[in-house]
Amino acid sequence: GENVEQHPSTLSVQEGDSAVIKCTYSDSASNYFPWYKQELGKRPQLIIDIRSNVGEKKDQRIAVTLNKTAKHFSLHITETQPEDSAVYFCAASTANTGNQFYFGTGTSLTVIP
Amino acid sequence: GAVVSQHPSRVICKSGTSVKIECRSLDFQATTMFWYRQFPKQSLMLMATSNEGSKATYEQGVEKDKFLINHASLTLSTLTVTSAHPEDSSFYICSAREPGLTYNEQFFGPGTRLTVL
Repeated sequence: GENVEQHPSTLSVQEGDSAVIKCTYSDSASNYFPWYKQELGKRPQLIIDIRSNVGEKKDQRIAVTLNKTAKHFSLHITETQPEDSAVYFCAASTANTGNQFYFGTGTSLTVIP
Repeated sequence: GAVVSQHPSRVICKSGTSVKIECRSLDFQATTMFWYRQFPKQSLMLMATSNEGSKATYEQGVEKDKFLINHASLTLSTLTVTSAHPEDSSFYICSAREPGLTYNEQFFGPGTRLTVL
């Protein structure tokens, strides 16, 4: 099955700086890559996603890039704010085999005011 | 986005008892729902795929006789943890897909915190 790795596990940045989280996946058939933000004890919230036919997608301060050849994708947060502090998860999904999500191990992001 | 609810939000039970968790899609019909388990400070681990009107598909290593899944209607899936033990204490989250979407977005429920004493 799909194996998703995520790095780093923890990340601290100064307010206003950028944060980058990287994920790799193993199944070349994966075609959908969402990123979720999860606050303690809460449900994951979708922040951005990308499909395999696109190399980059941006939504205000958040962007995601995808390299299908290398099977890795990254989340970029610019101008970080304290409210960005949370745990971020990447996931990979394959429509052909049931759309299951396989999550990365998570990154705990702390934005220092 | 679509709304998914879970009930109960928290449950505490004694070892050996069974616990049922409900997952409902409130404003759409979900032919497929997913159940995840999340231990503290860990990732969401997919347990099983719940298909309306058919048997659930379990991930490797998940005991189907211990984690019973029923998807009796297009808006309700239930997860029953049978003969729960302290090691089953975890955060259980469901998600649902809205049919007809061209991509694979899942909508998550708020989760159920299970504590087995």
